[in-house]
Amino acid sequence: QVQLQESGPGLVKPSETLSLTCSVSDYSITNGFYWGWIRQPPGMGPEWIGSFFHSGSTFYSPSFKSRVTISVDTSSNRFSLELTSVTVADTAVYYCARFATMPDWGQGTLVTVSS
Amino acid sequence: QSALTQPPSASGTPGQRVTISCFGSSSNIGSNAVTWYQQLPGTAPKVVMYSYNLRPSGVPDRFFGSKSGTSASLAISGLQAEDEATYYCAAWEDTLNGVVFGGGTKLTVL
Repeated sequence: QVQLQESGPGLVKPSETLSLTCSVSDYSITNGFYWGWIRQPPGMGPEWIGSFFHSGSTFYSPSFKSRVTISVDTSSNRFSLELTSVTVADTAVYYCARFATMPDWGQGTLVTVSS
Repeated sequence: QSALTQPPSASGTPGQRVTISCFGSSSNIGSNAVTWYQQLPGTAPKVVMYSYNLRPSGVPDRFFGSKSGTSASLAISGLQAEDEATYYCAAWEDTLNGVVFGGGTKLTVL
């Protein structure tokens, strides 16, 4: 059973960059599947941020495309999210996920954007 | 506006059968599997149905999923108080190489 764990600062100031890392256990991210990030703002539904395929191709939601970067570190079996120029609207629980037939999500990490 | 359309609310009394619908398009539900999530307040979404009608271990067989064309449904029979939650549908979107979600249906057990 694959395990995913998000880590990173819980508080980010407006206009700064949000950075999170997902550590994956019990499955190599190079073995297949799409992987990526989802977020859920308070009181709202989940929304997809971006994905990458094990071959290296990366895809982003049009809603974030100009601000987001997903990078992959295959040596440590981790991948990261960077979201630039954040505002209070970026306050959300951020999840990393494996997009398999039966999807797997991490437990999520709350990131608050506030001065 | 969500890519998948769900009714915002549904309700039923204990023991009843409730159905939640999810409408999409040919590039998501029409060509890919649907996942249903259950979210209780303050918790992460939990998969209750995947690949249209497969239940993860621990999900009771009162939950049933189906798909027809570009729409999908989640049916819950023998409704119980513990089923009160918000339910989200999701599907892979071929034009994005990513996931699209419905806006969620809040199920109330009266």
